[in-house]
Amino acid sequence: GESVGLHLPTLSVQEGDNSIINCAYSNSASDYFIWYKQESGKGPQFIIDIRSNMDKRQGQRVTVLLNKTVKHLSLQIAATQPGDSAVYFCAEPGGSNYKLTFGKGTLLTVNP
Amino acid sequence: GAGVSQSPRYKVAKRGQDVALRCDPISGHVSLFWYQQALGQGPEFLTYFQNEAQLDKSGLPSDRFFAERPEGSVSTLKIQRTQQEDSAVYLCASSSQGYYEQYFGPGTRLTVT
Repeated sequence: GESVGLHLPTLSVQEGDNSIINCAYSNSASDYFIWYKQESGKGPQFIIDIRSNMDKRQGQRVTVLLNKTVKHLSLQIAATQPGDSAVYFCAEPGGSNYKLTFGKGTLLTVNP
Repeated sequence: GAGVSQSPRYKVAKRGQDVALRCDPISGHVSLFWYQQALGQGPEFLTYFQNEAQLDKSGLPSDRFFAERPEGSVSTLKIQRTQQEDSAVYLCASSSQGYYEQYFGPGTRLTVT
């Protein structure tokens, strides 16, 4: 079965609102997680990553939170913009040191 | 700088035909990955190269799938005797150090009719 998964397949927000995308993982030994953004017709684009020795990491308008107790991570996007509309995937190496295991993805739609 | 490029971007093949999909990774990236992405799903690992060595091909769905990277740069994914279930987007990614920050190409959308 999949190591990572997502709670919500779709999320619709108003422009300017904050967005939260969730992801659950099953492998307690997972030590590294990545969020990717995939726009229609394009390949996944790296957004932000986090190692298991961290609880929180911030980027430009994005924050990733990791809760190892419940094996859950989230991606928060501040002041969501129409250009943020895409499918968002969490991914992790799944015990290897090279290949990534992706979840199914959450479709984020930003309404103007 | 130039990112990962893939060609063709779209390919329509009749069932039973052979296809070849090309990937040009970012210059200097030693690691190269192929993924298959079905509609509405996340990418699934197919195979991994480190330079010219294919270190893992455990994700290739059948022996009709073959990948090569003879000079450690450009890679080709070949699918023989295509079947309808092979219809998907094939993504190539490269990185300078294992799985960290894999940079993906735009993908090749393969449709088998």
